[in-house]
Amino acid sequence: QKEVEQDPGPLSVPEGAIVSLNCTYSNSAFQYFMWYRQYSRKGPELLMYTYSSGNKEDGRFTAQVDKSSKYISLFIRDSQPSDSATYLCAMIYGNKLVFGAGTILRVKS
Amino acid sequence: DADVTQTPRNRITKTGKRIMLECSQTKGHDRMYWYRQDPGLGLRLIYYSFDVKDINKGEISDGYSVSRQAQAKFSLSLESAIPNQTALYFCATAGVSTGELFFGEGSRLTVL
Repeated sequence: QKEVEQDPGPLSVPEGAIVSLNCTYSNSAFQYFMWYRQYSRKGPELLMYTYSSGNKEDGRFTAQVDKSSKYISLFIRDSQPSDSATYLCAMIYGNKLVFGAGTILRVKS
Repeated sequence: DADVTQTPRNRITKTGKRIMLECSQTKGHDRMYWYRQDPGLGLRLIYYSFDVKDINKGEISDGYSVSRQAQAKFSLSLESAIPNQTALYFCATAGVSTGELFFGEGSRLTVL
């Protein structure tokens, strides 16, 4: 069993839709949670970084962590074609950083 | 100019050849990493280095070696390339925060 599970998609939505991207994890020791965005032919870039359970908002993006369920989500409001990318969750315990496999998102105009 | 630069960006080689992928950074970070990315498997850590004298194996180091020539330079070598090393390779750096990695644009390696 992988430590971090993420549906690879692709997830295809119309422009303006609310997008929900999710990861589950098995190790309760994970303390810090991140979302990276990776455009085609580019390296991943950090999008959101959270620590505690609850929500963190940044513009159209909201990261949600539920440690009791070992579940994290990234919501994108008013999705745009420019949001089309692969979204990777990542999490840390100690010095160990583990990435999910990534979800491909396509936003159609 | 990019903060993390990888060369070459694309390389096609044959089984058994020695390959070196190079990474240089201008961010002034001490921590540097090499990852490989495969469809469905995400990013997997090959090697990492916290300073010039520190080299550590990641989860998939077999068949690879690294050299940290300076704070700004970290190279990855495949001594004898094999087809299942065909992948997209990323170099990354980090400052104080372990979770905030800065990635290069990747080196796509194909081993025939």
